[in-house]
Amino acid sequence: NAGVMQNPRHLVRRRGQEARLRCSPMKGHSHVYWYRQLPEEGLKFMVYLQKENIIDESGMPKERFSAEFPKEGPSILRIQQVVRGDSAAYFCASSYGGQGAREKLFFGSGTQLSVL
Amino acid sequence: AQSVTQLDSQVPVFEEAPVELRCNYSSSVSVYLFWYVQYPNQGLQLLLKYLSGSTLVKGINGFEAEFNKSQTSFHLRKPSVHISDTAEYFCAVSDLANAAGNKLTFGGGTRVLVKP
Repeated sequence: NAGVMQNPRHLVRRRGQEARLRCSPMKGHSHVYWYRQLPEEGLKFMVYLQKENIIDESGMPKERFSAEFPKEGPSILRIQQVVRGDSAAYFCASSYGGQGAREKLFFGSGTQLSVL
Repeated sequence: AQSVTQLDSQVPVFEEAPVELRCNYSSSVSVYLFWYVQYPNQGLQLLLKYLSGSTLVKGINGFEAEFNKSQTSFHLRKPSVHISDTAEYFCAVSDLANAAGNKLTFGGGTRVLVKP
């Protein structure tokens, strides 16, 4: 049973380009979370999704960032017109259910985004 | 709103010596508490968690943590570290009343470097 799979592991973009980060949750998991880790900082919550629904996007920047978790396929975090400040490690986590804090989260290995 | 403070950004320690990583939190509501470990180039792994019951929690790899409600602390300890414990450690909290998934608030992390 594969864990949470994120790809690519490393993504390099020039300023103004688009970045697409993919996350395949663990088998049977229908809840996905995205976190961002800026250099020398802890992880910051961005968005929580269930299949075809955004449940909580309180941590998402208001512009340029969007996320989806379609019925079929991986969850996608999309960053339009990237800027240098978007350089960070982006982690995805998944859980089986949504029973609050009792649900165990499983994290992927992250995507390191570098904006030149 | 919640916040988590990890007082030490780096902790050097000799092999087989004990280590304690400090974590304090603030929250207006009751919380669940977690410690995660991040090995180089990997995602986060759950070390242990406190949900309820005994305030002394035992986790994997010989780690334990004690919840102190009056001091709003959840310090992590290991009596004898190994070289393989070199990693970054994150303390996190989750709102007890949050029925919408398991959204975590992380501290800034403590980097543990175990020296031979």
